[in-house]
Amino acid sequence: GPKVLQIPSHQIIDMGQMVTLNCDPVSNHLYFYWYKQILGQQMEFLVNFYNGKVMEKSKLFKDQFSVERPDGSYFTLKIQPTALEDSAVYFCASSLDGANTGQLYFGEGSKLTVL
Amino acid sequence: GDSVTQTEGQVTVSESKSLIINCTYSTTSIAYPNLFWYVRYPGEGLQLLLKVITAGQKGSSRGFEATYNKETTSFHLQKASVQESDSAVYYCALGGMPNYNVLYFGSGTKLTVEP
Repeated sequence: GPKVLQIPSHQIIDMGQMVTLNCDPVSNHLYFYWYKQILGQQMEFLVNFYNGKVMEKSKLFKDQFSVERPDGSYFTLKIQPTALEDSAVYFCASSLDGANTGQLYFGEGSKLTVL
Repeated sequence: GDSVTQTEGQVTVSESKSLIINCTYSTTSIAYPNLFWYVRYPGEGLQLLLKVITAGQKGSSRGFEATYNKETTSFHLQKASVQESDSAVYYCALGGMPNYNVLYFGSGTKLTVEP
């Protein structure tokens, strides 16, 4: 089936540094999402993105977070600066029709460790 | 806000036995949300297993079934006879008002099917 690729699969950085997580969504999809899962906890919605804009974001999507998809390339999540509590697995998803009516396709996740 | 509860973190079942994974939901909306089961097989991204958008209806896929029960606010996943290949992590999810394009996930249930 369609695949969403996430790069890197694992990244370790020092607190205060910047990190960019990359997502290569399914080629004809229009909606893009980031979810965050801390070890042992639920996967929680961060943000969704459509037509070049953030549509919705949760309280977890702090001011240090940003997303973009320049020129239809990777859909990226940038955290600047990082904090210890940002350590988690970040999942990217894409959808043709949106989450509520269509199907989300997820990547395998990018594990971020902030030291 | 909206939330989903899965009470079992791990379930172990012998091959050819029946399975039930519990899911209950909570919503502050007066409308009924759409309900989903997603599954993550080892080494793969999360993928849609089945969805039901009408209260009282049943969804099915790959031998799994789930019935949308608005009286008990439940959406339990069942299978009559499991196989080793069903070993995976199963997530119940809710989508709906007010954020039509956001899915809220349960904490997941890891199913191990023993030969």
